[in-house]
Amino acid sequence: EVQLVESGGGLVQPGRSLRLSCVASGFKFDDYAMHWVRQVPGKGLEWVSGISWNSDRIDYVDSVKGRFIISRDNAKNSLYLQMNSLRADDTASYYCARVYSYYYGMDVWGRGTTVTVSS
Amino acid sequence: SYELTQPPSVSVSPGQTARISCSGHPLANQYVYWYQHESGQAPLLLMYKDNVRPSGIPERFSGSRSGTTVTLTITGVQAEDEADYYCQSADTSIVSNWVFGGGTKLTVL
Repeated sequence: EVQLVESGGGLVQPGRSLRLSCVASGFKFDDYAMHWVRQVPGKGLEWVSGISWNSDRIDYVDSVKGRFIISRDNAKNSLYLQMNSLRADDTASYYCARVYSYYYGMDVWGRGTTVTVSS
Repeated sequence: SYELTQPPSVSVSPGQTARISCSGHPLANQYVYWYQHESGQAPLLLMYKDNVRPSGIPERFSGSRSGTTVTLTITGVQAEDEADYYCQSADTSIVSNWVFGGGTKLTVL
């Protein structure tokens, strides 16, 4: 079964760090670019970051540039999001998703992990 | 960055047709994808390249385009279709600028 499973969410104080993980199974992980998408409570989906299959291309939404770092370990079928200098407005459910090609969109998603930034 | 505009809500009775629009100037040169999302669940890809259904998506879901407006149509809406629907677009980069519309809450009356 093709599957993405996120973990690592939790309650964290403003200014602290958290590392999210996404483990893939059921498909050839290194055939795909991977992305993080978040949903703030009561708001819509927001693209956060993307990484190419071999990590040579990476990008972030402006609001997290300089604070978040996306990475992947193809040997472990895993995607990561290192979140530093967390702010209250980073409180959200974070989803990972795969992309094979620009043409096909994000065709498989995880169920998300929740990050709450609060003192 | 740019914005994609969707109506905040659409309401229809079971069996009727729901249409959810997505508009934005960059859509003139970019494909649109549609996702269905229920709270606590993984988002589901409904449509790619404007109007192509992935395997397993019911035929009652269809997509169309007129210029810079792309429309998701649900023909014969069912109660189980009540969810949030998001359009998305991207430039040709596989890692950059994957912009979502604000989302549309579909209510089945």
